Amino acid sequence: DAGVIQSPRHEVTEMGQEVTLRCKPISGHNSLFWYRQTMMRGLELLIYFNNNVPIDDSGMPEDRFSAKMPNASFSTLKIQPSEPRDSAVYFCASTERGGLTDTQYFGPGTRLTVL
Amino acid sequence: AQSVTQLDSHVSVSEGTPVLLRCNYSSSYSPSLFWYVQHPNKGLQLLLKYTSAATLVKGINGFEAEFKKSETSFHLTKPSAHMSDAAEYFCVVTAMNTGFQKLVFGTGTRLLVSP
Repeated sequence: DAGVIQSPRHEVTEMGQEVTLRCKPISGHNSLFWYRQTMMRGLELLIYFNNNVPIDDSGMPEDRFSAKMPNASFSTLKIQPSEPRDSAVYFCASTERGGLTDTQYFGPGTRLTVL
Repeated sequence: AQSVTQLDSHVSVSEGTPVLLRCNYSSSYSPSLFWYVQHPNKGLQLLLKYTSAATLVKGINGFEAEFKKSETSFHLTKPSAHMSDAAEYFCVVTAMNTGFQKLVFGTGTRLLVSP
């Protein structure tokens, strides 16, 4: 199995630009999580989906952030417009079932730098 | 509210000596607890988890942790450190927030292993 795949691995953009991060979960997994990791705030859960439906988006920082999961094998996290404080590493993770006690399999992350 | 505290931001050991990474939690109900490891520029990987079964939990790579309810602790140990254990370790607890179960991550402990 290829594991969770994220793209791009690195993204550098200018303030005000739209950024789209992509994630392909492990085949057969039915829950997907988006996290953000910064030195200041540590690892934060932004949103998670179960069977392609958003279950809890209370961690999404503001309206500039949106996430979609159009099918079981693909999800996007979009930031529009981007700001320097959005610079972070964004991780996607998937689990086989829907419970939070399931093992989460993390992707390698996307390092986002907003200038 | 549920929370998790990792008592040391950095721990330094010599190769071949024991490892102890400390974690305390607070929870108003019986939580599930996890330890995840993050190697440089990688996503997180599950080491072990406690979900109300045996209180001594064995994980991968020789790590284990003991759930002690009376001390509200879930410390991670390994009898003999290896150079490849150098990484960041996160203690994680399940929590309830606004009706949703969430994962709360500790701030991490960086383990340094010297030859």
